[in-house]
Amino acid sequence: EVQLVESGGGLVQPGGSLKLSCAASGFTFSDSAMHWVRQASGKGLEWVGRIRSKADNYETAYAASLKGRFTISRDDSKNTAYLQMNSLKTEDTAVYYCTSGWYSDYWGQGTLVTVSS
Amino acid sequence: DIQLTQSPSFLSASVGDRVTITCRASQGISSYLAWYQQKPGKAPKLLIYAASTLQSGVPSRFSGSGSGTEFTLTISSLQPEDFATYYCHQLNSYPFTFGPGTKVDIK
Repeated sequence: EVQLVESGGGLVQPGGSLKLSCAASGFTFSDSAMHWVRQASGKGLEWVGRIRSKADNYETAYAASLKGRFTISRDDSKNTAYLQMNSLKTEDTAVYYCTSGWYSDYWGQGTLVTVSS
Repeated sequence: DIQLTQSPSFLSASVGDRVTITCRASQGISSYLAWYQQKPGKAPKLLIYAASTLQSGVPSRFSGSGSGTEFTLTISSLQPEDFATYYCHQLNSYPFTFGPGTKVDIK
């Protein structure tokens, strides 16, 4: 059974940083692209970014609106993907989901990030 | 960026109805489109990928069609568990984008 478990969310002040983790199991993590998607309360889905597999040179891509503040990485030895978020703004408050597969076949349960003073 | 629009934004339907949701892209995306279903408080679930391929385990009453700039998601006979919000998502070119969603409610 595929499982994706996000962690690391919480309350952070504007301008602060936070690193989310996504622990994967039930599939060959090293072969899979991993995405991050976020959703503000009562709003739609927003694609944050993606990291591809080693076979695709760990290529990363991000939403333009993030302007270089977020970085996605992965550790295939730990079956874990990460989302490093810097210079956080109040508008980054959302539930953050990690997903696996080219088409985001599987989703975690999400972790809430609240940016507030 | 490629913009996706969905119509309608909201629809009210009855159990057994045939429902069609349209997703339009601001430029051609070939068949790199997926559809997701999201229920309140839950993570989205992949229904259709590559515009028309049914994800494993998804009921056959769901179908997708289209290519280029216009796509449709059809539910042939709406069931009680289908009341949810549906999103389209393009993965043709970066940055990937989602449509704004279509909420399907009970009439």
